[in-house]
Amino acid sequence: EDQVTQSPEALRLQEGESSSLNCSYTVSGLRGLFWYRQDPGKGPEFLFTLYSAGEEKEKERLKATLTKKESFLHITAPKPEDSATYLCAVQGGTSGSRLTFGEGTQLTVNP
Amino acid sequence: NAGVTQTPKFRVLKTGQSMTLLCAQDMNHEYMYWYRQDPGMGLRLIHYSVGEGTTAKGEVPDGYNVSRLKKQNFLLGLESAAPSQTSVYFCASKGDSRGYNEQFFGPGTRLTVL
Repeated sequence: EDQVTQSPEALRLQEGESSSLNCSYTVSGLRGLFWYRQDPGKGPEFLFTLYSAGEEKEKERLKATLTKKESFLHITAPKPEDSATYLCAVQGGTSGSRLTFGEGTQLTVNP
Repeated sequence: NAGVTQTPKFRVLKTGQSMTLLCAQDMNHEYMYWYRQDPGMGLRLIHYSVGEGTTAKGEVPDGYNVSRLKKQNFLLGLESAAPSQTSVYFCASKGDSRGYNEQFFGPGTRLTVL
């Protein structure tokens, strides 16, 4: 059974204060690790897909990295508009097209 | 493209009532999914479809039924609503001819069962 654990549950940062969110996973044959952003009252918005250990992807102030056991979402010099819940999900080799999601990290960036 | 749309956006039901949630996508995606999202439990898969005319059970299928009669539509039905089905429901789709693997989500339906 695929499992995803995200930490911390909530994170408060000052504008410009860089930090990282963690996604630890257990999966049989990783076929993809996904990061999503979710704003209050809206559906998750796709950010990144990572497929193999060592892979990195960047988008504006966000960078996602992947090891064999965990993924990090690094946020560099965040702005208040980066405040959201960030979700991590995995697609395992035995789960077909299905994703297993973590509970998310709620990020608040204060001006 | 509108992407993934869901109707209705909000609904209040009484225990025992039935309803159908509609999901539509205009991206020619093969795969479609229904999730529910509850505080402290993350997104959980209810049912999914790998193509027109197919359906399969996810993690929490009890109390729900689905149909995929047309490729662009995926319906989620509650035959006899229960308070435990109070939740936010999200539809997602993926899989076009370009082979992208990510799921795209709709805006959600907030359902309250009294």
